[in-house]
Amino acid sequence: DAGVIQSPRHEVTEMGQEVTLRCKPISGHDYLFWYRQTMMRGLELLIYFNNNVPIDDSGMPEDRFSAKMPNASFSTLKIQPSEPRDSAVYFCASSPGKGAAEAFFGQGTRLTVV
Amino acid sequence: GESVGLHLPTLSVQEGDNSIINCAYSNSASDYFIWYKQESGKGPQFIIDIRSNMDKRQGQRVTVLLNKTVKHLSLQIAATQPGDSAVYFCAENSGNQFYFGTGTSLTVIP
Repeated sequence: DAGVIQSPRHEVTEMGQEVTLRCKPISGHDYLFWYRQTMMRGLELLIYFNNNVPIDDSGMPEDRFSAKMPNASFSTLKIQPSEPRDSAVYFCASSPGKGAAEAFFGQGTRLTVV
Repeated sequence: GESVGLHLPTLSVQEGDNSIINCAYSNSASDYFIWYKQESGKGPQFIIDIRSNMDKRQGQRVTVLLNKTVKHLSLQIAATQPGDSAVYFCAENSGNQFYFGTGTSLTVIP
């Protein structure tokens, strides 16, 4: 398996534009996580899914952020409209099972909103 | 006002020396802990894990110690190499979520 695949690796967009980040988890993993990493806050959990169903989205900063998982092999994180303070590295991770199981991370998407 | 960034603890060691990275966790109900390594421009990478029913676990050149009494984890790296330079995070698993510490930046001096 190629691991967790995220696209794009880098995204530069203007304030107010819609941004969509994509993630392909490792096949067979039932859990998918979206994290945001900044110098100010470190690594923050935004939302996670179990079997394609959102379980906890309490980390999503505001309504401008939304995440979907239409099937077991694909998830998106959308920001609409984007703002400069959304600039960060966004990581997707997947995990094979419930509870004690390591999460495998993608390479991340570096988002810059100007 | 002036914004304050996240100041990572830093550790500098000579190549060949042993490194010890510490982490305090918050949830006494956490039953699983992981150490991750994050190199520049990459995502966190699994190093070693430990369950709460253990107090020590060894891997290749790495050892994790768990002290549940004081909610403390440490990662020991033996014979540190330049390739070990990275940010190291501990993560605690509570339920189905992983909560990450702020990380420690390790620099290995050749």
